[in-house]
Order: sequence, then structure tokens, then C-alpha cells
Amino acid sequence: ELKVEQNPLFLSMQEGKNYTIYCNYSTTSDRLYWYRQDPGKSLESLFVLLSNGAVKQEGRLMASLDTKARLSTLHITAAVHDLSATYFCAPTLSGNTPLVFGKGTRLSVIA
Amino acid sequence: GAGVSQSPSNKVTEKGKDVELRCDPISGHTALYWYRQSLGQGLEFLIYFQGNSAPDKSGLPSDRFSAERTGGSVSTLTIQRTQQEDSAVYLCASSLAYSDTQYFGPGTRLTVL
Repeated sequence: ELKVEQNPLFLSMQEGKNYTIYCNYSTTSDRLYWYRQDPGKSLESLFVLLSNGAVKQEGRLMASLDTKARLSTLHITAAVHDLSATYFCAPTLSGNTPLVFGKGTRLSVIA
Repeated sequence: GAGVSQSPSNKVTEKGKDVELRCDPISGHTALYWYRQSLGQGLEFLIYFQGNSAPDKSGLPSDRFSAERTGGSVSTLTIQRTQQEDSAVYLCASSLAYSDTQYFGPGTRLTVL
């Protein structure tokens, strides 16, 4: 059974600061996704990581995957208020199997 | 283009009633998924359809839950004899057969009184 652990679950950070969200998973996974969810909204796809060492960047967010360590990170650089949201990591066992979500990291960026 | 749509957006029902939730996937997507999101349980998988294959029902919490997908497109999630613990946001997602991204709909917020 694939289990996912995200930390921290809550993160309050000042604008301009850097921080990393961690996602550990329990068994071999084919791929890993990061999603963003704004309050009252659905999930928006941010990144999909397909192989060991994969790194993807979009704006102030950078995601990486270490399949040997079963670890993915989401790094936030110079945070801005617009990044306030809940971020979920979700590995899958294979390409078309259901996502297994972490509990999410609720990020609040304050001035 | 059009994304995944779900209806209704909100549903309030009384305990013991049956409800139907609808999902229209992105055109051409052969895989369709139902998840639910609740405060206590987070995001959890319910059921998955892939093309004409038998659905993966391993996430359904009880036999009160069922889902159909007609013509390989629209899907309906049915909850019979609703209970208060069924209150949650029900999310539908779709993907291409061999795509690497699942696209989510806006969800249906179900409240069981």
C-alpha cells in the first residue's frame, strides 16, 4: 500500500523568504505530482515528476524527485502572498492509477 | 478548451436520501476518477474508470456507493441512503489514456443533514 507523508502540514512564512515542503512516500512509485488548491477551489496541477533526479521549475516554485530516497521536495523561493494555498503531493504506482495524496501543506505567506 | 465539469456544485440532502453526482470529463479523456475530500480524511480515491475495462472500485467506502460511466464519457456517482459522514466535496478528474496529468473538476459539495 502506498502511503504519503507531507511536512510541514502548516507553514507560515514571510514574503521574500525561502522554504521547502517535503513529501515522503512508502513504496516504489512510477511518478509524482504536485497540486495546488486555493480555498474553496479545486486542484490545479503544478508539476509531474517522472524519473529519478527530475527537477521542474515554474516561477518561484521548484519541484524535485529522488526515487531512491522516495522523497520529493517543493522549494519556494522569495515567497509572495499569491503563493498562499494548500499544496499536495501525490505519487502513483503507475501512469493511470489513482493518485494517493498527502495531507497537504497549508502555506500562508504574510507581509 | 472545456475542462472537467461537475454538477451540482452544491447538494444538501437529508439523511437516508439517495443522491446522484455528475461528472463530464474533458473530451477524449478515457480515464475518469472520483475522489472525495473531507476535513477528517483528506483527499481519498473512490473509483476509477479506464476505457472499456472494468472499473477499479477499491476505494468505495461501502456498498451504498456506486458509479457508472456511460458511453465512455459522462459518469454518475450515486450514494444511497446517505449518512452524515458522507458529507464532503466529491471531486472528479480525467486524463488521457497515457497522459501524465489528471485534471480535476470544481467538485460537488455534499451536505447531509
